[in-house]
Amino acid sequence: EVQLVETGGGLIQPGGSLRLSCAASGVAVNNNYMGWVRQAPGKGLEWVSVMPTSAYTYYADSVKGRFTISRDESKNTLYLQMNSLRADDTAVYYCARIGPRTKYAFDYWGRGTLVTVSS
Amino acid sequence: ENVLTQSPGTLSLSPGERATLSCRASQSFSNSYLAWYQQKPGQAPRLLIYGASSRATGIPDRFSGSGSGTDFTLTISRLEPEDFAVYYCQQYGNSPPWTFGQGTKVELK
Repeated sequence: EVQLVETGGGLIQPGGSLRLSCAASGVAVNNNYMGWVRQAPGKGLEWVSVMPTSAYTYYADSVKGRFTISRDESKNTLYLQMNSLRADDTAVYYCARIGPRTKYAFDYWGRGTLVTVSS
Repeated sequence: ENVLTQSPGTLSLSPGERATLSCRASQSFSNSYLAWYQQKPGQAPRLLIYGASSRATGIPDRFSGSGSGTDFTLTISRLEPEDFAVYYCQQYGNSPPWTFGQGTKVELK
């Protein structure tokens, strides 16, 4: 069974940094496309970043240059380093896998971790 | 940028009725890369449909997807009480690679 568990969220001041972790079980983060999707309170889903099986990475324009996605094969964990945080980064951040046969759709999701950027 | 516009914003229906949700793209793209998700309050999204018309694992056959080019549809043939939720479409394309629609809420009439 695939499980994705996000941690690392919390309250952070504008301009601050935070690192989110996504511990995976039942799926190898280095052998799958893995990504982050966020949802601001009461709003819709917004794609944030995806890391394919190669070293290439993809970022939404809204986070490019501020967020960095990475993975640790030994810990089977996906990360999202978030710097220069702004109020509009406030959201629940979901870790998700892109299935090998789902035509780039996200087939497994974690329960999410809430990031609140506020002074 | 390919913008996905979902309609209607809210759909008020009763159990047993048919729900038809629309997702329109501003630019044509391969229908292989269109997905639908269901999200209930306080829960993560759940993949329903990928490749425009393929049901994900464990999804009941009352959910079906269709469409091509710029116009896609999610149909729920007979609404069950657990189907009242928000539904999102998502496409994979060029720039940005992944895009979500703004969502359609299916609410109890």
